[in-house]
Amino acid sequence: DQQVKQNSPSLSVQEGRISILNCDYTNSMFDYFLWYKKYPAEGPTFLISISSIKDKNEDGRFTVFLNKSAKHLSLHIVPSQPGDSAVYFCAASPQGGSEKLVFGKGMKLTVNP
Amino acid sequence: ETGVTQSPTHLIKTRGQQVTLRCSSQSGHNTVSWYQQALGQGPQFIFQYYREEENGRGNFPPRFSGLQFPNYSSELNVNALELDDSALYLCASSQDRGLSGYTFGSGTRLTVV
Repeated sequence: DQQVKQNSPSLSVQEGRISILNCDYTNSMFDYFLWYKKYPAEGPTFLISISSIKDKNEDGRFTVFLNKSAKHLSLHIVPSQPGDSAVYFCAASPQGGSEKLVFGKGMKLTVNP
Repeated sequence: ETGVTQSPTHLIKTRGQQVTLRCSSQSGHNTVSWYQQALGQGPQFIFQYYREEENGRGNFPPRFSGLQFPNYSSELNVNALELDDSALYLCASSQDRGLSGYTFGSGTRLTVV
């Protein structure tokens, strides 16, 4: 049972345009959400996070939006750069101080020059 | 500040054998979590160690076991290897079980034949 879903396996955008990566979750106990970026032969690296008490968090070119009623979050990258090409994972943490992360399957983003 | 290092980077084992994977946590971190990432999937939580004690376990059989040492480095042991154990094994370290600063290593690619 996939509790965190990234339904699109890949996305291709032009350099300078916006990239929007989507993520849905089913477990209402999740209260902290994170996005990770992964290059080949490297471990996932933290990108940005959001707590369930917020609906938006911004860090430079990266913004994460959370819609709790829809159990949906999205990552916006603007402007997209070729160096952003990587696999992006959405992850969630259950309530109660558990530090276990539940990951989606990932989405491959390709930014074309 | 050194990051999370994992060894070996690649490993090939025969079905039924046992394997030990190693992880050195980032300097200052006292918590280590292990994840299994099968091909085309997101990382799945195996277990977490905090100050040498197991602090949570995912849905993995008992033949997956771990250890954390006084210097906070960790080992993941898998007995009676099965073909489905073939995956990338990721270690992540953090401070006081927190998600902030959760840092992944590059992983060990295990192939079971």
